[in-house]
Amino acid sequence: GQQLNQSPQSMFIQEGEDVSMNCTSSSIFNTWLWYKQDPGEGPVLLIALYKAGELTSNGRLTAQFGITRKDSFLNISASIPSDVGIYFCAGLRGGSQGNLIFGKGTKLSVKP
Amino acid sequence: NAGVTQTPKFRVLKTGQSMTLLCAQDMNHEYMYWYRQDPGMGLRLIHYSVGEGTTAKGEVPDGYNVSRLKKQNFLLGLESAAPSQTSVYFCASVLGGKHNEQFFGPGTRLTVL
Repeated sequence: GQQLNQSPQSMFIQEGEDVSMNCTSSSIFNTWLWYKQDPGEGPVLLIALYKAGELTSNGRLTAQFGITRKDSFLNISASIPSDVGIYFCAGLRGGSQGNLIFGKGTKLSVKP
Repeated sequence: NAGVTQTPKFRVLKTGQSMTLLCAQDMNHEYMYWYRQDPGMGLRLIHYSVGEGTTAKGEVPDGYNVSRLKKQNFLLGLESAAPSQTSVYFCASVLGGKHNEQFFGPGTRLTVL
């Protein structure tokens, strides 16, 4: 099936650092969504993007819909311990009846 | 609003047993989805529904059946459970139309021995 390439797979953060992750695809998407999943819970929607080039913020989180419509980026500024978790990107193609294609996730952990 | 709820939260089955997972949403959403999540595999779509009385296959439908008799409920059935169906199952719903944001339930952790 179609896949989104999400990177990095995992990363360690130190409190106060900025974090960046991205998703790329060979196909064009009409919508990009970013989710966060905490252990033992379902994914929670962070940001939704609907237009190519769109830049949207949610607190310390900023996401962009790539101009080619084949990629998206999520940045977290000044990370805090509660940012740890797994972040998923998801893309939606036109006419897909709402069926999202998910990336495999980026796991954020705290540096030992 | 309770959002999306799932029942049960945990379940252990023996190979060959059957069970039904219930998903309910109180947001009047049109579309509903069932996913499974396995380590390193991300979220994979099992079945989905675009409205009451309709269902369709997703990426990994084998071994599962679904029903959407009421708009607010989406049931996932395992007729004869297999160890390969050990997973965490998530339900999600979407308002529909221009709104594509999926809202997820808390998950059901299923172990098949």
